[in-house]
Amino acid sequence: EAGVTQFPSHSVIEKGQTVTLRCDPISGHDNLYWYRRVMGKEIKFLLHFVKESKQDESGMPNNRFLAERTGGTYSTLKVQPAELEDSGVYFCASSRLRADTQYFGPGTRLTVL
Amino acid sequence: KQEVTQIPAALSVPEGENLVLNCSFTDSAIYNLQWFRQDPGKGLTSLLLIQSSQREQTSGRLNASLDKSSGRSTLYIAASQPGDSATYLCAVSKYDKIIFGKGTRLHILP
Repeated sequence: EAGVTQFPSHSVIEKGQTVTLRCDPISGHDNLYWYRRVMGKEIKFLLHFVKESKQDESGMPNNRFLAERTGGTYSTLKVQPAELEDSGVYFCASSRLRADTQYFGPGTRLTVL
Repeated sequence: KQEVTQIPAALSVPEGENLVLNCSFTDSAIYNLQWFRQDPGKGLTSLLLIQSSQREQTSGRLNASLDKSSGRSTLYIAASQPGDSATYLCAVSKYDKIIFGKGTRLHILP
């Protein structure tokens, strides 16, 4: 069974540009989560999808971040426009059932210059 | 607001030693507690998951305990090996959302 995959693994962009991160969950996992870790801080929850619906987006930092999961399969996280403080590692996780074990992807390292 | 604290932030021990990593959390109303391992450039690997009704879980050389009433958990690693070098993260969940500590960077000296 393939694990959670994320693309790209690294992204370097300039302040003000737009970046889109992609997450492919494990097949059959209805629940998809986004987390991020900024320098020196702990990993923090961003949002949770159940299929294509946003269940909880309380961790989204501001309206420059837009997450979608059209069709309930893969998800994208767009940052527009990117700011310096958005630099960090963005993790995606998926689970079959709510409150079940979450399986994490390798993360996307985002650097905003 | 739930906060998870891990002590120490970094630890270096000689190969073969037993060691304990500590985790504390402020809100005892948790669903479960997990210990993760993170290797540089890699994702998070779940090592042990303890449900709120359980006291401990064991997997190979790893043993994790949970004292929910005092808000504490420990991860015990027996007979440490250089391959155990990684960052260990403690995390608690209240249903869907996982709240992480900052982690302990462990270095096993050959």
